[in-house]
Amino acid sequence: GAVVSQHPSRVICKSGTSVKIECRSLDFQATTMFWYRQFPKQSLMLMATSNEGSKATYEQGVEKDKFLINHASLTLSTLTVTSAHPEDSSFYICSALPGTRNIQYFGAGTRLSVL
Amino acid sequence: TQLLEQSPQFLSIQEGENLTVYCNSSSVFSSLQWYRQEPGEGPVLLVTVVTGGEVKKLKRLTFQFGDARKDSSLHITAAQTGDTGLYLCAGNSGGSNYKLTFGKGTLLTVNP
Repeated sequence: GAVVSQHPSRVICKSGTSVKIECRSLDFQATTMFWYRQFPKQSLMLMATSNEGSKATYEQGVEKDKFLINHASLTLSTLTVTSAHPEDSSFYICSALPGTRNIQYFGAGTRLSVL
Repeated sequence: TQLLEQSPQFLSIQEGENLTVYCNSSSVFSSLQWYRQEPGEGPVLLVTVVTGGEVKKLKRLTFQFGDARKDSSLHITAAQTGDTGLYLCAGNSGGSNYKLTFGKGTLLTVNP
């Protein structure tokens, strides 16, 4: 149990376009989901906390207008990178928190490459 | 801001050797988790420690939570090439939103 699916696993896009990444909890409901960014061989950096039915809480230094987060249901959160630029290229990872356990379960990540 | 200092950052050893990874903080955590991550994949939870002084074993891996719940260690006995990966510790301070503070990670390479 506790499977988190992230889609797509890899995306290549042109500079200036927007990209949407989906995070789904497949066998549990998640009132809270988290979005992280990870640079090569480095740790995870929390970008924002997403709560179902309310606005996301962004970490300091993360542009909320650039990284749009929507948590429309208890099993789905989306991250949209708007007007992507090459510096946005990174590995984006989501995690989901089941309401019954205080453990974050991670998706497999999305490799974004902006040309 | 809570910080978790993880060391060493890089570790390259031969198969069969033992190793220890450390995770230290000046802050108290209500729980601490260890993850292992392979390239291009998300972190996979290895263990959660909650009680000060707790020791948990997972086959050749031994995890310890400090008495004061400010530090933790991961010890691997007789490392295998399959242990290669990025090991991450992450602490939870007990807030209602369950945010995790991650250490910088230890990139372990086990050579045959």
